[in-house]
Amino acid sequence: AQKVTQAQTEISVVEKEDVTLDCVYETRDTTYYLFWYKQPPSGELVFLIRRNSFDEQNEISGRYSWNFQKSTSSFNFTITASQVVDSAVYFCALSESLGSSNTGKLIFGQGTTLQVKP
Amino acid sequence: DSGVTQTPKHLITATGQRVTLRCSPRSGDLSVYWYQQSLDQGLQFLIHYYNGEERAKGNILERFSAQQFPDLHSELNLSSLELGDSALYFCASSALAGVETQYFGPGTRLLVL
Repeated sequence: AQKVTQAQTEISVVEKEDVTLDCVYETRDTTYYLFWYKQPPSGELVFLIRRNSFDEQNEISGRYSWNFQKSTSSFNFTITASQVVDSAVYFCALSESLGSSNTGKLIFGQGTTLQVKP
Repeated sequence: DSGVTQTPKHLITATGQRVTLRCSPRSGDLSVYWYQQSLDQGLQFLIHYYNGEERAKGNILERFSAQQFPDLHSELNLSSLELGDSALYFCASSALAGVETQYFGPGTRLLVL
């Protein structure tokens, strides 16, 4: 069965610290997609990144960076020089597939609550 | 703003009642997905519609049903409500079906008393 594990329930850092959010996934598929979403206190889910299983290049977007390692089934997310506005719950998700077809269902981890203190 | 709209934002109702949640996808998107977020279950997929047809079902209760209309908006109907149905219900949309990025609406917060 496909599964996403975010072992860190809560992380607290002081502003300007770097922080890494871990995501470990399980799937038997060779083709799959991974996502990160942010849920700020206002409640909406904001898309951050989508990565397919064939692209292991790390990605950087401003203060955000993602490290995808198929060998360890991990897709970790790092925020550099964190800011108070980064305080949110962050979800890692995996696209579900049934054999050769993709259902469109996203399998979410339990989320990591990040608190950035001033 | 993702471009996905959901109404109402908040809903308070009593056990045994029936409610309808509405979702309008981003302009041009053909797929609509519904998810439920609760404290104990986390984010759970309910159902996926593509261009008016049901494509996939998750652990959606029989008391819940959904449809997607010709104008592509979708409604999630929840009936015989129980206290445990209190949750945040999200709608998401994507351009096509499958592995497209899903953009989420602001959610409808349902409280069953």
